[in-house]
This record gives sequence, C-alpha cells and structure tokens, in this order.
Amino acid sequence: DIQMTQTPSTLSASVGDRVTLSCRASQSIGSRLAWYQQRPGEAPKLLIYQATTLESGVPSRFSGSGSGTEFTLAISSLQPDDFATYYCQQYNGYFPWTFGQGTKVEFK
Amino acid sequence: QVHLVQSGAEVKRPGASVKISCTATGFTFTNFYMHWLRQAPGQGPEWIGIINPNGGKATYAEKLQGRVTMTSDTSTSTIYMDLNNLRSEDTAMYYCARPHRGGTNAFDVWGQGTMVTVSP
Repeated sequence: DIQMTQTPSTLSASVGDRVTLSCRASQSIGSRLAWYQQRPGEAPKLLIYQATTLESGVPSRFSGSGSGTEFTLAISSLQPDDFATYYCQQYNGYFPWTFGQGTKVEFK
Repeated sequence: QVHLVQSGAEVKRPGASVKISCTATGFTFTNFYMHWLRQAPGQGPEWIGIINPNGGKATYAEKLQGRVTMTSDTSTSTIYMDLNNLRSEDTAMYYCARPHRGGTNAFDVWGQGTMVTVSP
C-alpha cells in the first residue's frame, strides 16, 4: 500500500497568516492527489484534486502544488473558517486509495 | 441538489453484524462507481471498498475481505455496506462517497456519515 505522511501534525497560526501543509507519498503517484478539509462533526470536503486543481466553490486562497512524492497545500491568508483538519489522499491506480493522518490547523 | 443520505447510528456487540445504507439524490446514481470509507476517532479516513451499482460488482480492502459485503439497489438509488463479526476496532464513522463528477477519483460528494460503535 502507498503510505501518505503529513507534516506537521499540528500547526498553530493566526488569522491572516500564510500557512503551508506538506504531504509525502511513499512512492510516486504522479499528480493523483487530493486535499480535503474536515471540521469537527462533518464529513471531509474536497478542496484540491489532481494536486493543483481547485474544486468549484473553494476560495482562491487555497492552492496545491507538487507531483511525484512531494505535495503542498497553501492557504494564503488564514480565515476563521479555515481552522480545521486537512487530509491528503492518493488515488494512484490500484486500491487501496490511502489518506494521510492529517494536519490540524489551530489558533495560535 | 446532489446528496448522499446515510442511515442512522448503530451500537453493536462484538461478533454482531451491521448494515448501513446510502441513498443518492440529485444525480444519476448508475453513472458512478460508489465508495465506502471509514474514519476511526482521531484518525484519517480509510478506504473500505468500491461498488459498481450496475450489476453490483465490488472490490474490498484486503484487511476486511471476508467480513464486508457491498450491494446496490438501482430502483432506489441506494447502496449498502454489510460488515459482520464486528470487533472493537471497527468502531468508526462510516461514509459513502462519490468520485468526482469530472472523472478524476477524488471524492467530491460525501454522505453525512454513520457512526458505528462496537461495545460489549
């Protein structure tokens, strides 16, 4: 199985900060990576797919980059709604498709 | 509006079985292979399996092979996930999800989740 490693596990930040979250795959997955936001008590919400494509309706302060094994989610100016947990997911070919363990973005 | 509506929370004893439903509205159900995932408390989501609603062919995660069965009912746009011989480590929120409408395999629509608690 492809392992997805997210760093850091927790990130402390303030409203208006630029933050970057990292995700590493244990083998190359091309661009077959998605990012999700999850708030407590809610299902994950798709933010980015194909590593860099912004899902419809998602604010442009979110952006994704990377390919192969190294990926980044950036939030250009953190808003109160953005304090949540973020997961990366690979969907490269064979099952199982796997998720990282998450990065929690919390108030500093 | 595109929605996936799941059945309600379940509490089960170890060794019992649970069957969860997921009903699709607002899109053509049979155009998508549908997925089940679960998320244990404090953990990332875990992929459980995929089903083709047309014909019902399913593929399951290796760790759940033999305990999980996925079925579909196209007349009601509903998929089901049956998990038997429940263990405490099966305690989790279970989600159905649809792959992206644009053809990529990210999940753009999720059910609201069904909490399954396995406790003596």
